[in-house]
Amino acid sequence: GEDVEQSLFLSVREGDSSVINCTYTDSSSTYLYWYKQEPGAGLQLLTYIFSNMDMKQDQRLTVLLNKKDKHLSLRIADTQTGDSAIYFCASKGAAGNKLTFGGGTRVLVKP
Amino acid sequence: DGGITQSPKYLFRKEGQNVTLSCEQNLNHDAMYWYRQDPGQGLRLIYYSQIVNDFQKGDIAEGYSVSREKKESFPLTVTSAQKNPTAFYLCASRKSTGTGISYNEQFFGPGTRLTVL
Repeated sequence: GEDVEQSLFLSVREGDSSVINCTYTDSSSTYLYWYKQEPGAGLQLLTYIFSNMDMKQDQRLTVLLNKKDKHLSLRIADTQTGDSAIYFCASKGAAGNKLTFGGGTRVLVKP
Repeated sequence: DGGITQSPKYLFRKEGQNVTLSCEQNLNHDAMYWYRQDPGQGLRLIYYSQIVNDFQKGDIAEGYSVSREKKESFPLTVTSAQKNPTAFYLCASRKSTGTGISYNEQFFGPGTRLTVL
């Protein structure tokens, strides 16, 4: 079946940029998402990219998609302490209405 | 305010007991989902429902059951057959009509943490 992989942990200093990486296996993925989860809470959609796009920028967030390598990244500019959370990458295939989630990357922002 | 509510936030269960987790949405969404989250792992799909009175098994349905009698409600029962039920359970809903991101985005509830004693 489909698989989505992420690194487990990222530590970054406040004010620096964070880059979270994700790889996926489903070549028919239509949408790719980034969700944020704060402690003890549900998931909040941060941004998404459609599979025919290479890049999407939304304020401090930049999503890059390399469809050939099936690689997705999320860059957070000027990282703040409020950005400390778990970030999930998810893909939606062409068929069906299900999302496949990665294991999540825990981002720790140090002052 | 529109949204998804899950109750209770924390739930404790003795081994061998069934327990039902509540999920309600007032977003007028057709599709609803239940996920399980374990520490250090991603979300795994338990069950989903595209429409009232219909639902499908996800990747880890064994030991769980659901019902979808109303559009707004999608309760999940964790049965005694579920061998390792301690986890964080998340409910989500999706519009399922229209096009683009509004059609595809899943909105999540705040979650229920279930602990088996």
